[in-house]
Amino acid sequence: DVQMTQSPSNLAASPGESVSINCKASKSISKYLAWYQQKPGKANKLLIHSGSTLQSGTPSRFSGSGSGTDFTLSINRVESEDFSVYYCQQSYSLPWTFGGGTKLELK
Amino acid sequence: QVQLTESGPGLVHPSETLSLTCTVSGFSLTGYSVYWVRQPSGKGLEWMGRMRYNGDTSYNSALKSRLSISRDTSKNQVFLKMNSLQTDDTGTYYCTRVLGGADYWGQGVMVTVSS
Repeated sequence: DVQMTQSPSNLAASPGESVSINCKASKSISKYLAWYQQKPGKANKLLIHSGSTLQSGTPSRFSGSGSGTDFTLSINRVESEDFSVYYCQQSYSLPWTFGGGTKLELK
Repeated sequence: QVQLTESGPGLVHPSETLSLTCTVSGFSLTGYSVYWVRQPSGKGLEWMGRMRYNGDTSYNSALKSRLSISRDTSKNQVFLKMNSLQTDDTGTYYCTRVLGGADYWGQGVMVTVSS
């Protein structure tokens, strides 16, 4: 199985700051990487797929980069609605595997 | 409007079988694949298995001996059955439609394994 290592586990930021979350795969997964947002009481939301393609409805302040083994989710000027948990996930091979999650909290 | 809704018992006793249903609307099960993902309380996400649009199934090898996924396209439903449940199977179970990534998720159903 492809192991996905996400960092940091926790991230504190103030509204207006820009932040980055990293995800490292145990082997090359080309660009088969997605990012999700999870909020209590809401359905999980696909933000980015194929490493850098914004899903319809994802605000443009979100961006994804990387290929191979190293990927980054960036949020340019965090807004209050962005404080939540983020997961990366590889779809290069089965089983799909997820990173351990990053909790973005208010500083 | 795409929707997925999970349903099933909230409480299962150890060693018993879990049966969950994912009812979908707004898309056809013969056009999209549906995956099952679970999340132990306070922990991360684990892919369980999938029902492809063509009826093929795949399972996480860690669960394969206990897990079965099936569907009824006439009722727009995908089913998950997992036997020999233990306490560490407690968590929230999600079904999700897959196109590129998992683009639509259900709200999840909380399952507690306890005597």
